[in-house]
Amino acid sequence: GAGVSQSPRYKVAKRGQDVALRCDPISGHVSLFWYQQALGQGPEFLTYFQNEAQLDKSGLPSDRFFAERPEGSVSTLKIQRTQQEDSAVYLCASSLPGLVQWGQFFGPGTRLTVL
Amino acid sequence: AQKITQTQPGMFVQEKEAVTLDCTYDTSDPSYGLFWYKQPSSGEMIFLIYQGSYDQQNATEGRYSLNFQKARKSANLVISASQLGDSAMYFCAMREGATSNTGKLIFGQGTTLQVKP
Repeated sequence: GAGVSQSPRYKVAKRGQDVALRCDPISGHVSLFWYQQALGQGPEFLTYFQNEAQLDKSGLPSDRFFAERPEGSVSTLKIQRTQQEDSAVYLCASSLPGLVQWGQFFGPGTRLTVL
Repeated sequence: AQKITQTQPGMFVQEKEAVTLDCTYDTSDPSYGLFWYKQPSSGEMIFLIYQGSYDQQNATEGRYSLNFQKARKSANLVISASQLGDSAMYFCAMREGATSNTGKLIFGQGTTLQVKP
């Protein structure tokens, strides 16, 4: 596709359930980022991949959060034993290292609601 | 640590008038990039404009311009000739490094802009 896609767009989970959020970056984009955006707030960095290597996971809030990008394209963000405080929009973004002035291209996000 | 501050939670502007959205930043790194994104109620983040720390001139993109005052560490967004479709949340963001696009973005809290007909 032409842009970054994410699925599902909406996810409702009961507290304690595991969820998996998928991101398809723009074809050829080697950098992939995950952000968490709470209601009415700015996005906050979670983790960064360059190809299949996870180079920065400093923003993951707990060990319940896990991300992978095994073949350097599609990425999955997994949240285990979801809690109400995990309710947020999860944004995925991709970029090319050389496109300095364009920054990151964002997907539409997955809105997670934990009941 | 890097930080972005947007002090205006909400702004109103009359259609066809200009509006300035404030952004100040804090970093000890001499190399950085500054971005403005628009987020309509539909949720997608739309890139508007970019300013690199080494750029000598203020960035402009159509109706958007960035008032970059490096000594004051401010990067205000100016929207000229506001349109009803400009109503949205606006985020200022900073990336480490002006010469590489591999750094994470640090976002401000955002400013909600409402354009009145």
